[in-house]
Amino acid sequence: GAVVSQHPSWVICKSGTSVKIECRSLDFQATTMFWYRQFPKQSLMLMATSNEGSKATYEQGVEKDKFLINHASLTLSTLTVTSAHPEDSSFYICSARGDVEKLFFGSGTQLSVL
Amino acid sequence: SQKIEQNSEALNIQEGKTATLTCNYTNYSPAYLQWYRQDPGRGPVFLLLIRENEKEKRKERLKVTFDTTLKQSLFHITASQPADSATYLCALDRGSTLGRLYFGRGTQLTVWP
Repeated sequence: GAVVSQHPSWVICKSGTSVKIECRSLDFQATTMFWYRQFPKQSLMLMATSNEGSKATYEQGVEKDKFLINHASLTLSTLTVTSAHPEDSSFYICSARGDVEKLFFGSGTQLSVL
Repeated sequence: SQKIEQNSEALNIQEGKTATLTCNYTNYSPAYLQWYRQDPGRGPVFLLLIRENEKEKRKERLKVTFDTTLKQSLFHITASQPADSATYLCALDRGSTLGRLYFGRGTQLTVWP
């Protein structure tokens, strides 16, 4: 089946630094990818929709200058958390749309900001 | 705003029994509803999608119902096994683009031998 690879699986960084997370569709082309965030015991919250070759669409309340999304090719989208702070510590998950009715999620990235 | 409630945070059942999980939603009329499985520290895995004009859908030991009048979906796992232990998430489309989803908090299912 279709696979979405997310890297890194976990990252620890100092406050004020930037962190980049990659999301790749390994065996299919994804014109649209999605980025979610999940806090412990909470639901996944959609952050943004990433479209290949165009600007991402951010959900209400998500700072686009803080969470930079780039979708440069049909198989790769990146999320950069800029000037990370402890409150940005969370589980970040990407997903990609495969065929009409299926979404495939990456394995997630646990970000811890010290 | 959209609100999704999954009946309980945790459900414990004995192996071989049928697990039934509930998803209720308000303030919205989704075109489709999805169920996912999520294991600790992992991303969700797609299980089933049911559209608003479908009342029931089955896949192997899984069955989903969708009642748009009650604004409720039921997710059943028959002949449950310890390997079915995981958190199950209900998700609704947010409209316009397939893949933009509202998720519930999930129900943690534990199947004991």
